[in-house]
Amino acid sequence: TQLLEQSPQFLSIQEGENLTVYCNSSSVFSSLQWYRQEPGEGPVLLVTVVTGGEVKKLKRLTFQFGDARKDSSLHITAAQPGDTGLYLCAGASEYGNKLVFGAGTILRVKS
Amino acid sequence: KAGVTQTPRYLIKTRGQQVTLSCSPISGHRSVSWYQQTPGQGLQFLFEYFSETQRNKGNFPGRFSGRQFSNSRSEMNVSTLELGDSALYLCASSLVENPLQNTEAFFGQGTRLTVV
Repeated sequence: TQLLEQSPQFLSIQEGENLTVYCNSSSVFSSLQWYRQEPGEGPVLLVTVVTGGEVKKLKRLTFQFGDARKDSSLHITAAQPGDTGLYLCAGASEYGNKLVFGAGTILRVKS
Repeated sequence: KAGVTQTPRYLIKTRGQQVTLSCSPISGHRSVSWYQQTPGQGLQFLFEYFSETQRNKGNFPGRFSGRQFSNSRSEMNVSTLELGDSALYLCASSLVENPLQNTEAFFGQGTRLTVV
């Protein structure tokens, strides 16, 4: 069974601070995705990383895929209140359209 | 382009009843997956359909079933409801046809099911 461990579970920071969310597994994933979910809504895809060692930037968000394709990180620079939400990492299995989700990180950015 | 549409948004059912949830994928997407989201377990994969065939299945009891129609719309059914079935049920559609390709899922807003 493929599992994704996501940390930390909760993060409460002040506006302007930096933060990193981690996603780790003992399994290899063909790709890894990061989603953001707001209350009452479905998750919204932020990015997909495919190649080991890949780094993608989305404005103040930087995503990295580990060399062995077993782990990933999301770094937010100068967090803003609008970044508040549930961040989820999800790994795509080698076969089949099945995503394995981490438990999620609840981020709260205070102004 | 319309997104993934799930109906209804909210449902209240009593134990022992059954329920059917509906999902209309993004136009052109033929893969539809269902997930259950609860505070304790997070997002758990239920099953995935492609071209009216169940292609992948999670570890849920047989009370949970689904189907897909020729227009790619999908339904999931839960029979003999239990209190623990209370959750947000999310549907996601994907353009990917080859299961060996990378999956990017686009989620609906979900159906909030409460079992009392």
